[in-house]
Amino acid sequence: KNQVEQSPQSLIILEGKNCTLQCNYTVSPFSNLRWYKQDTGRGPVSLTIMTFSENTKSNGRYTATLDADTKQSSLHITASQLSDSASYICVVRRNDYKLSFGAGTTVTVRA
Amino acid sequence: DTAVSQTPKYLVTQMGNDKSIKCEQNLGHDTMYWYKQDSKKFLKIMFSYNNKELIINETVPNRFSPKSPDKAHLNLHINSLELGDSAVYFCASSQGLAGTYEQYFGPGTRLTVT
Repeated sequence: KNQVEQSPQSLIILEGKNCTLQCNYTVSPFSNLRWYKQDTGRGPVSLTIMTFSENTKSNGRYTATLDADTKQSSLHITASQLSDSASYICVVRRNDYKLSFGAGTTVTVRA
Repeated sequence: DTAVSQTPKYLVTQMGNDKSIKCEQNLGHDTMYWYKQDSKKFLKIMFSYNNKELIINETVPNRFSPKSPDKAHLNLHINSLELGDSAVYFCASSQGLAGTYEQYFGPGTRLTVT
């Protein structure tokens, strides 16, 4: 079983709408959690990095939350744009540098 | 200027061949990585080098051999290619190993083994 589970697997939203992606993890000991955006045919690009003590972090229209107690994170996209169509990957890092990747959520924004 | 570059972008080869993928970063970073992304888009770390020293070596067949001639380069050599090696391989770099350093990814190399 993967130590990082993302949901939904994919979603379609209309331009201008908001959406929230979920990431649940069992990785321990926890160091930090990252959200990446990967456009088709490109390498992933970091959106946010959160450590144990951070509950929320924003990057433009992207806002990530972290509940280290329940081991859950979410990525909220506000006022979606066509350019938000991509895969969003949750990555959890352990203290020993090991990384665990989620399978990603594919977001499609339609006009 | 490209921060992390990989060559080639596409590689099509036959089973049993040996091939190399090159990676270079011009960010002055100490740490470099190789990732494999399969057809289901699952990213898996393969190797991590810090100051030319191997730090992370996940469960990767020994047909895969990374080589870091200097801090700016991390090449991946694959012997006796198999069908299952078909994937997109990403190189990445970060300032160091510390957890909060950003990782910068290259554009990927799509390897197809026929």
